[in-house]
Amino acid sequence: AQTVTQSQPEMSVQEAETVTLSCTYDTSESDYYLFWYKQPPSRQMILVIRQEAYKQQNATENRFSVNFQKAAKSFSLKISDSQLGDAAMYFCAYRDTYGQNFVFGPGTRLSVLP
Amino acid sequence: EAGVAQSPRYKIIEKRQSVAFWCNPISGHATLYWYQQILGQGPKLLIQFQNNGVVDDSQLPKDRFSAERLKGVDSTLKIQPAKLEDSAVYLCASSLASTGPEPQHFGDGTRLSIL
Repeated sequence: AQTVTQSQPEMSVQEAETVTLSCTYDTSESDYYLFWYKQPPSRQMILVIRQEAYKQQNATENRFSVNFQKAAKSFSLKISDSQLGDAAMYFCAYRDTYGQNFVFGPGTRLSVLP
Repeated sequence: EAGVAQSPRYKIIEKRQSVAFWCNPISGHATLYWYQQILGQGPKLLIQFQNNGVVDDSQLPKDRFSAERLKGVDSTLKIQPAKLEDSAVYLCASSLASTGPEPQHFGDGTRLSIL
C-alpha cells in the first residue's frame, strides 16, 4: 500500500523568509500524482500545488514551488517570501493514475513569525 | 462557483447513538469523497463515489458506517451506532474527474464529538 510521510510535525519561518516542507512517499507505481494541500484553522482544505510524476519539470505556483525527486520518492514544498496568511497545516498527498489510493501524509504545522 | 456544501457544521452525540452527515458537491463533479480526519492526523479516505457507484470503500468500517449517493449528486454518510473513537472531522470533497491531475475540492467539514 502507498504511504506518505512528513517528518516535520511543526515548522516555523520568519515573515518574508523561505521555508521548505519535506514529504516522502512509497509506491511501486511509475505514474501517479502528488499534491500539497493547505488547511488553515478555518478547516477548509485548499490545493496549493500539484505535480504529475511523468513530468520532470518541477511545478511552480507563484510563491510556491516543489522539488520533485522521483528516484528518491521525495516531494518537498518551498514557500518563498512567507506571509502571515501562509500559517496553516500543510498536507502532502498521493494519488494513483486510476483515480484511487488517495493517501494523505500526517501534516506539518507551519507558523509564520512577524 | 459554489463550493462543496456540508451540514451540519458541528454535531455532539452520545455513544451508541446514530448520526448522519450531508454533502452537496460542486455542480458537475462526478467524483465524491468522504474522509475522516482525527485531530492531529491527515484525512483518511472512507469512501469514493463515481457518479452514484462506489469506487473504493476499503477503509469504511461497514459494520457501523454507511454512505450513499443517490442520483449521483448529494451524498449522506451515516454512523450507527457511534463509538468514542469516531470523534473526528468528517470531510467531503468532490472533483470533476477521478483520473488525471484533477484536484479535490473540500467542504468545511463536520466536527463530530462523541460523549
